[in-house]
Amino acid sequence: EAQVTQNPRYLITVTGKKLTVTCSQNMNHEYMSWYRQDPGLGLRQIYYSMNVEVTDKGDVPEGYKVSRKEKRNFPLILESPSPNQTSLYFCASSPDWGYEQYFGPGTRLTVT
Amino acid sequence: AQKVTQAQTEISVVEKEDVTLDCVYETRDTTYYLFWYKQPPSGELVFLIRRNSFDEQNEISGRYSWNFQKSTSSFNFTITASQVVDSAVYFCALCAGGTSYGKLTFGQGTILTVHP
Repeated sequence: EAQVTQNPRYLITVTGKKLTVTCSQNMNHEYMSWYRQDPGLGLRQIYYSMNVEVTDKGDVPEGYKVSRKEKRNFPLILESPSPNQTSLYFCASSPDWGYEQYFGPGTRLTVT
Repeated sequence: AQKVTQAQTEISVVEKEDVTLDCVYETRDTTYYLFWYKQPPSGELVFLIRRNSFDEQNEISGRYSWNFQKSTSSFNFTITASQVVDSAVYFCALCAGGTSYGKLTFGQGTILTVHP
């Protein structure tokens, strides 16, 4: 089944404790991206990747890191999480830029 | 910088009413793509339509239709004879080439509630 998977689905952590949210797709897509969703703000792009080893900042990259060492994986790293990073996070992939995004199920992160 | 504005934060209608969700975008690029996504109460994001900047043809898919007008930088979405199952958050999005090559910008979303 073609899909984007994210893990974990739910995470409660404390300020400053490094964490990684994994994202994997099995569709051989070139483009992958991370978004955060907050009430009233819609979806905001954090980082995106057009291909392996190519990443670019979205609209809200501060406090996040990503890497794209393999085509299928695009982990999101929070090196020192803060409460303002409490949010719902979505990973997505698409065949190339400008195509429909296939979204993962979301990761709800709470930072206390 | 590119921008997408969905001015309607919330819309409430009664079943069988027609409803239009507005989307206005800004970009300096001549090549871009516009999208609509639906997020039902279950939370997943569902793709509805993709339109490129060179194709201004309107599209109809069942009860859904889209009106793309480059002259007003708008890409509006109409649901005809709305149903309770249409209740969801709807997002308009823009992906442009040029200086923001590959960046995808979403609007703030419109919460649609359809009452029986």
